[in-house]
Amino acid sequence: SQTIHQWPATLVQPVGSPLSLECTVEGTSNPNLYWYRQAAGRGLQLLFYSVGIGQISSEVPQNLSASRPQDRQFILSSKKLLLSDSGFYLCAWRARGGHGRPYNSPLHFGNGTRLTVT
Amino acid sequence: DQQVKQNSPSLSVQEGRISILNCDYTNSMFDYFLWYKKYPAEGPTFLISISSIKDKNEDGRFTVFLNKSAKHLSLHIVPSQPGDSAVYFCAASAQLGNYQLIWGAGTKLIIKP
Repeated sequence: SQTIHQWPATLVQPVGSPLSLECTVEGTSNPNLYWYRQAAGRGLQLLFYSVGIGQISSEVPQNLSASRPQDRQFILSSKKLLLSDSGFYLCAWRARGGHGRPYNSPLHFGNGTRLTVT
Repeated sequence: DQQVKQNSPSLSVQEGRISILNCDYTNSMFDYFLWYKKYPAEGPTFLISISSIKDKNEDGRFTVFLNKSAKHLSLHIVPSQPGDSAVYFCAASAQLGNYQLIWGAGTKLIIKP
């Protein structure tokens, strides 16, 4: 069965420090991968998604970047954190259909990382 | 422009009764709809989905209804249990939108003993 691992679970970082959050998926190959953020009391905001190694699409211009160095690894980074980067960060994967095409299917989320920028 | 709306930020229901969570959408091209459940400090968990070719899908205590003419879907939970207390998100996608999920803001469901 497929599993998704996301770490760390919680993180407290000072303003201006770098960030690296990692996500890995097991039990599937060539998934679509996603980074979401949930600000306190808010809905889910899509930050980045990836359809393959080295392929990153950004949904919201901001202080963050993403990379996919391996098929089942997705990394969220920042060179200098801002206070507004605080939030709950979620990684998710989604299966792809025949010939690698997207199709209507659920996203499956990791347990999230609570980031507090102080 | 909110294409998927959950107009009730919260809902309180007695244990054992039916919980009805609502979701409205504006994009008539949406052809796939999902409901997720989220506990605090955890990732959302997929509950149930429905394709636009159907108007009802059932899985145990959870039933999703789709009214395409009204652009409305609802999630029914019968009977409601204490463990159902969580935030529920609806989401929708369209083939023409490259299947990207568009999310509602969520409804917090509280099950009272």
